[in-house]
Amino acid sequence: EVQLVQSGAEVKKPGESLRISCKGSGYSFTSYWINWVRQMPGKGLEWMGRINPNDSYPNYSPSFQGHVTMSADRSISTASLQWSSLKPSDTAIYYCARVITTRPYHFDYWGQGTLVTVSS
Amino acid sequence: DIQMTQSPSSLSASVGDRVSITCRASQSISTYLNWYQQKPGKAPKLLIYAASSLQSGVPSRFSGSGSGTDFTLTISSLQPEDSATYYCQQSYRMPRSFGQGTKLEIK
Repeated sequence: EVQLVQSGAEVKKPGESLRISCKGSGYSFTSYWINWVRQMPGKGLEWMGRINPNDSYPNYSPSFQGHVTMSADRSISTASLQWSSLKPSDTAIYYCARVITTRPYHFDYWGQGTLVTVSS
Repeated sequence: DIQMTQSPSSLSASVGDRVSITCRASQSISTYLNWYQQKPGKAPKLLIYAASSLQSGVPSRFSGSGSGTDFTLTISSLQPEDSATYYCQQSYRMPRSFGQGTKLEIK
């Protein structure tokens, strides 16, 4: 069974750092890119970027470039999303989703989401 | 960047109704258009990919059509469990982008 299992909810203060994770199982982790999607409270879905687990090469949305860092460790089938200095506006649910490396590039499996709350 | 615009933003329909949601891309995206369903407190779920291909396990009352810039998601006979928010997403070009969502309520 294909699963993407994300790390648990986090409560952080502004300026703190954070790393959340997404562990894949039930499939070949290196055959799919991992994408990250943000959903702010009561809002829609925003694509943040993707990471290639084969070489850990990321592609960022211009809206998120420089604000987050994506990484992957294929030895433990885990992708990560990290912030060096959180802001209250980073409060959101973050989803990981896999996409096969050939067209048509749809997100066929999603993680359960990680709620990140940033508040002083 | 490619902008995706859905209409309507919300709609209310009765069980058994035929419902359609449209999605328009700001430029041609061929058939690189996907539809997702999201229920409250849950992750999105893939319904339709490549504009008209039904994802495995998704009920056949869901269908998709369109190419170029205009696309439609149709539910042939609305069921109570279809109450959700629906999103379109283009996978033609980076950065990927989603529509703003359509909230579907059951009367």
